[in-house]
Amino acid sequence: SQELEQSPQSLIVQEGKNLTINCTSSKTLYGLYWYKQKYGEGLIFLMMLQKGGEEKSHEKITAKLDEKKQQSSLHITASQPSHAGIYLCGADVGSSNTGKLIFGQGTTLQVKP
Amino acid sequence: DTAVSQTPKYLVTQMGNDKSIKCEQNLGHDTMYWYKQDSKKFLKIMFSYNNKELIINETVPNRFSPKSPDKAHLNLHINSLELGDSAVYFCASSPTWGGVGNIQYFGAGTRLSVL
Repeated sequence: SQELEQSPQSLIVQEGKNLTINCTSSKTLYGLYWYKQKYGEGLIFLMMLQKGGEEKSHEKITAKLDEKKQQSSLHITASQPSHAGIYLCGADVGSSNTGKLIFGQGTTLQVKP
Repeated sequence: DTAVSQTPKYLVTQMGNDKSIKCEQNLGHDTMYWYKQDSKKFLKIMFSYNNKELIINETVPNRFSPKSPDKAHLNLHINSLELGDSAVYFCASSPTWGGVGNIQYFGAGTRLSVL
């Protein structure tokens, strides 16, 4: 089984709607990273969370890490077609200094105009 | 200027051939990585080098051999290509090795198709 589980696996929303993507682990997350991937392009770094309860925002995207540091959510407000792509969470799982990121299986987002 | 660049972007080849993918970063980072993304978009680390020294070597077949001539370059050579090697290969780099907050920056990927 995956060490990092993302849900949902895919999402289709109407432009202007809000949405949330979740990333869950049974182990403590030491550094949680959110990336976005567009077809034919690399992974674009969005945000990093380290502390339990931490929340960060950039434009219309907000990421949170729960107090227990086992779950993170990515929330998009008033979605736009430019938000479409694959969102991946990555984390250093189970140890604080391995440098080895484990990734979730990704969430594919489509935004209908 | 592209921070992490990979070449080629697309690679189509026959089974049994040997091929190489090159990666260069101009960020001044010490650590570089190779990841493989399969058809289900599952991204998994293969190798990592820190200052030209191999740090991570996941359970990857011996047919895959990374080489880091200097800390700005990390190449991936694949011998005797198999159908199952078809995937997107991503190169990444980070400022240092390990530690929380060590953000990895990714290249655009090399889409390998083995026929």
